[in-house]
Amino acid sequence: QKEVEQDPGPLSVPEGAIVSLNCTYSNSAFQYFMWYRQYSRKGPELLMYTYSSGNKEDGRFTAQVDKSSKYISLFIRDSQPSDSATYLCAMGTKTSYDKVIFGPGTSLSVIP
Amino acid sequence: DAGVIQSPRHEVTEMGQEVTLRCKPISGHDYLFWYRQTMMRGLELLIYFNNNVPIDDSGMPEDRFSAKMPNASFSTLKIQPSEPRDSAVYFCASRPTGQGNTEAFFGQGTRLTVV
Repeated sequence: QKEVEQDPGPLSVPEGAIVSLNCTYSNSAFQYFMWYRQYSRKGPELLMYTYSSGNKEDGRFTAQVDKSSKYISLFIRDSQPSDSATYLCAMGTKTSYDKVIFGPGTSLSVIP
Repeated sequence: DAGVIQSPRHEVTEMGQEVTLRCKPISGHDYLFWYRQTMMRGLELLIYFNNNVPIDDSGMPEDRFSAKMPNASFSTLKIQPSEPRDSAVYFCASRPTGQGNTEAFFGQGTRLTVV
């Protein structure tokens, strides 16, 4: 079993839809969680960062962490064509602070 | 700041040749990471440095891979000899020190094709 699993998609939604992206993980030591967005032929860029269970909101984006289920989600409201990208979840532990593990990524297309 | 700068952007080489990828991190960032991204394996951490010192190279796949950071503004990842299975996009990322400071800034990547 991989440490971090993510449905690779591709996921295709109409503009304005609510998008739900998810990751599961096996290492209960993971304590901080991130979502990166990667446009085609670009490097990943940090979108959201959370350090605890619960929700964190930033504009149209909401990150949700459920440590008891080892499950994290990213919700995108009112999705736009510019949201079309690959979304990678990433996570790390306090002791292995520098060694962030990335999920394989979910490819999202928002159709105008 | 121009961000993390990688060169070359694309590299096509023949099997058995030496390949050198280059990275200039963001000024003032103490951490530098080398990642490899493929469809099959996703984004994998190869090695990372803190203050120019290699901290963890457990992700380096084989002895054919080596990385150096001679100073705070430059790092190289070398593959010698290269093989077709090394074809991937190689990313360099840098990050400043600081508790809770986990955002790594990625370069544009080097797309390596070994034929």
